Amino acid sequence: AQTVTQSQPEMSVQEAETVTLSCTYDTSESDYYLFWYKQPPSRQMILVIRQEAYKQQNATENRFSVNFQKAAKSFSLKISDSQLGDAAMYFCAYRSPIGFGNEKLTFGTGTRLTIIP
Amino acid sequence: EAQVTQNPRYLITVTGKKLTVTCSQNMNHEYMSWYRQDPGLGLRQIYYSMNVEVTDKGDVPEGYKVSRKEKRNFPLILESPSPNQTSLYFCASSLQGGGNEQFFGPGTRLTVL
Repeated sequence: AQTVTQSQPEMSVQEAETVTLSCTYDTSESDYYLFWYKQPPSRQMILVIRQEAYKQQNATENRFSVNFQKAAKSFSLKISDSQLGDAAMYFCAYRSPIGFGNEKLTFGTGTRLTIIP
Repeated sequence: EAQVTQNPRYLITVTGKKLTVTCSQNMNHEYMSWYRQDPGLGLRQIYYSMNVEVTDKGDVPEGYKVSRKEKRNFPLILESPSPNQTSLYFCASSLQGGGNEQFFGPGTRLTVL
């Protein structure tokens, strides 16, 4: 079974600075997908970024980018130019590709990010 | 607007009183799933459905039931709720295929006294 580990329960960053959230995972599959979800105080789960394991290029979405290290099974999220609206709980998640049974998301335990004005 | 809806958003009930949390999506998604979120544990899957009339257990199915009679609806049933089912519940849906985004409902905060 796949597992996802987020070792930083809480982090804080000064507004306009850069912060990196860590995520490691364990799997025996060679093809899979990784996601970062954001959960603001409203509790809504919002997709931030996704990465296909077969792509070597790291995904980017505006101020959000990932550092995907497949051999190390590491998938960190970098937030540049942090804004007050980035304050939230961030979850790293793993998903198997189609044809591998249940397409569930396996989540980490989350990292609560605080932005300091 | 493409969305997943859940009702109710908040519910306080007592031990043993049967309840249903509804979930509906308007995106014609085949895959639907229920998760529960507890502090320090992240989100864990309760049940999932690959399509109409096809459902199966996730990681924490004890005490829950589901049905999928129509493609758009996937209700979660607690036949005899207990205090350890106090949690935040999310319904999610997606097209089949691991790379497709799972869209989440707004969540249901359930308290069982």
